[in-house]
Amino acid sequence: SSELTQDPAVSVALGQTVRITCQGDSLRSYYASWYQQKPGQAPVLVIYGKNNRPSGIPDRFSGSSSGNTASLTITGAQAEDEADYYCNSRDSSGNHHVVFGGGTKLTVL
Amino acid sequence: QVQLQESGPGLVKPSETLSLTCTVSGGSISSYYWSWIRQPAGKGLEWIGRIYTSGSTNYNPSLKSRVTMSVDTSKNQFSLKLSSVTAADTAVYYCAREVTVAGDDAFDIWGQGTMVTVSS
Repeated sequence: SSELTQDPAVSVALGQTVRITCQGDSLRSYYASWYQQKPGQAPVLVIYGKNNRPSGIPDRFSGSSSGNTASLTITGAQAEDEADYYCNSRDSSGNHHVVFGGGTKLTVL
Repeated sequence: QVQLQESGPGLVKPSETLSLTCTVSGGSISSYYWSWIRQPAGKGLEWIGRIYTSGSTNYNPSLKSRVTMSVDTSKNQFSLKLSSVTAADTAVYYCAREVTVAGDDAFDIWGQGTMVTVSS
């Protein structure tokens, strides 16, 4: 089982704001990174570190963290944001291992 | 821009060894961590392990006894070997570049993925 927990599915109305969460003990020490994956495609990094967006990622994507919970917020969700979203971080072992959350399926209504 | 491409057999027999190679183009393989990540159909992502260009490795504890990674800097390639495979190892296998920012890791570049089926 994953050491990072995500809700399996979340929905949002077009143009509204949605928050996708990721919980785990390691998030008390490390920031989560977030990936968007559309069907049949490789994941794409959308947020890393405290709240950094790679080049080309729209600014409607943002990240935050509090305690053992990391959040990915999409402000003004678009139809093209419908996808699976995964979080990841180092695990809490101190051995520089990586863990992924189970993923959240985002539906844009 | 840097691109990654996985290559290797798409079909492996049970109990045999899965072997994949990732070729890095558009940039140097040096001074980065390189990881393998897999995804069974309809399921989530699983980190298999990483290798640095010096050859140092870290493996997922759940797979460590079966995994070997290597790097060939002269060819800008790194490789994965997974031994004693079973049907549970059937998945899309991705290679990815890993960057570390202020102590946090992120996979910023991914290959397109290659499907590996374990079946007799």
